[in-house]
Amino acid sequence: GEEVAQTPKHLVRGEGQKAKLYCAPIKGHSYVFWYQQVLKNEFKFLISFQNENVFDETGMPKERFSAKCLPNSPCSLEIQATKLEDSAVYFCASSQSSGSGRAERFFGPGTRLTVL
Amino acid sequence: SQQGEEDPQALSIQEGENATMNCSYKTSINNLQWYRQNSGRGLVHLILIRSNEREKHSGRLRVTLDTSKKSSSLLITASRAADTASYFCATDESGGSNYKLTFGKGTLLTVNP
Repeated sequence: GEEVAQTPKHLVRGEGQKAKLYCAPIKGHSYVFWYQQVLKNEFKFLISFQNENVFDETGMPKERFSAKCLPNSPCSLEIQATKLEDSAVYFCASSQSSGSGRAERFFGPGTRLTVL
Repeated sequence: SQQGEEDPQALSIQEGENATMNCSYKTSINNLQWYRQNSGRGLVHLILIRSNEREKHSGRLRVTLDTSKKSSSLLITASRAADTASYFCATDESGGSNYKLTFGKGTLLTVNP
């Protein structure tokens, strides 16, 4: 598609439950990024993919967060055993594979995760 | 403090006035980008300026980059109520992975009709 799609728009989980978020990048974009935005403030980088390969995961909390980008499937971000501090809006972005186009990220509308 | 810190944190102006937002960063960069976020929405890319560029224009936007001071400014001329949003600068750091795109905390711009 022409836009980055994210589902669901809103997700509510009890503390300790699992949360799974999905992202469909723009068709033809090879790079996918996940960001976490807490309280409308700064965007924290979590992880990036080049096609189905993890490119940079230095922002991922080691223990409870995992992400995948499998061929012919939406990318996913999964949080095991959610905590209150995981409440945030999670944004997915994609970019093109080469040239100057790969610098500009196209962002999805985000998934708002609320952990109660 | 964070890479890509915007200044001021909030700015309120009247329609038709110009708005200037500043951004400072710490590391060497490949490029610096400005994004806009309307309330409750995702980020929209506004403009990218490369490390070897000093100034760039796009419509009512003017971006400057001073790599010696590690700073950038975004000027929005003849502002409109529809420009009300949060504006973020973001840097693609040079060396190693340049795919992290580090964001600042943003400037909340309010344009009053």
